[in-house]
Amino acid sequence: KAGVTQTPRYLIKTRGQQVTLSCSPISGHRSVSWYQQTPGQGLQFLFEYFSETQRNKGNFPGRFSGRQFSNSRSEMNVSTLELGDSALYLCASSSDGNTEAFFGQGTRLTVV
Amino acid sequence: GNSVTQMEGPVTLSEEAFLTINCTYTATGYPSLFWYVQYPGEGLQLLLKATKADDKGSNKGFEATYRKETTSFHLEKGSVQVSDSAVYFCALAISGGYNKLIFGAGTRLAVHP
Repeated sequence: KAGVTQTPRYLIKTRGQQVTLSCSPISGHRSVSWYQQTPGQGLQFLFEYFSETQRNKGNFPGRFSGRQFSNSRSEMNVSTLELGDSALYLCASSSDGNTEAFFGQGTRLTVV
Repeated sequence: GNSVTQMEGPVTLSEEAFLTINCTYTATGYPSLFWYVQYPGEGLQLLLKATKADDKGSNKGFEATYRKETTSFHLEKGSVQVSDSAVYFCALAISGGYNKLIFGAGTRLAVHP
């Protein structure tokens, strides 16, 4: 059974640009959550999608958005990138009604 | 609010030493508790979990017991190996909070031969 797949693994963007990250969950999993990991703030919850609907949201500005498709694949978008958005972005999937989350390897975003 | 506090690292041990990484939590309701491990350059892997008070989670020689009276979930291993070197995260999920995990700051473990 394939795990959670995140693409791309590495990304370099310039301040002011926007970026889209992709996450393919484990087959059959309907919930996808996104986290930001930085040395200063640690792991912080961004949002969770379930059946194409945002079900939970963390405390991030509106520049951070996401969506989920009918096949449960999810994308997150960050607009007007800032240097502080440089981080490892992790995606996790889980099945309905089960809080056990399985993580992807992450996308490392560097903003220059 | 809900939060997780872990002992600060790094923790440096010799191979075959005993490991304890302390974790305490503050939560409303009845959380599920988890330990995740992150190896260099990788995402997080679930190490073990416990979903109710007095449950003991175990995996790969690691253990942690859900202590409601002390709001703790300390990670232990009797004999660490060099391959256990990684960052360990304690986390909680609130019942009904679906998949919004709240993580501790992480504890880096370095095991030397």
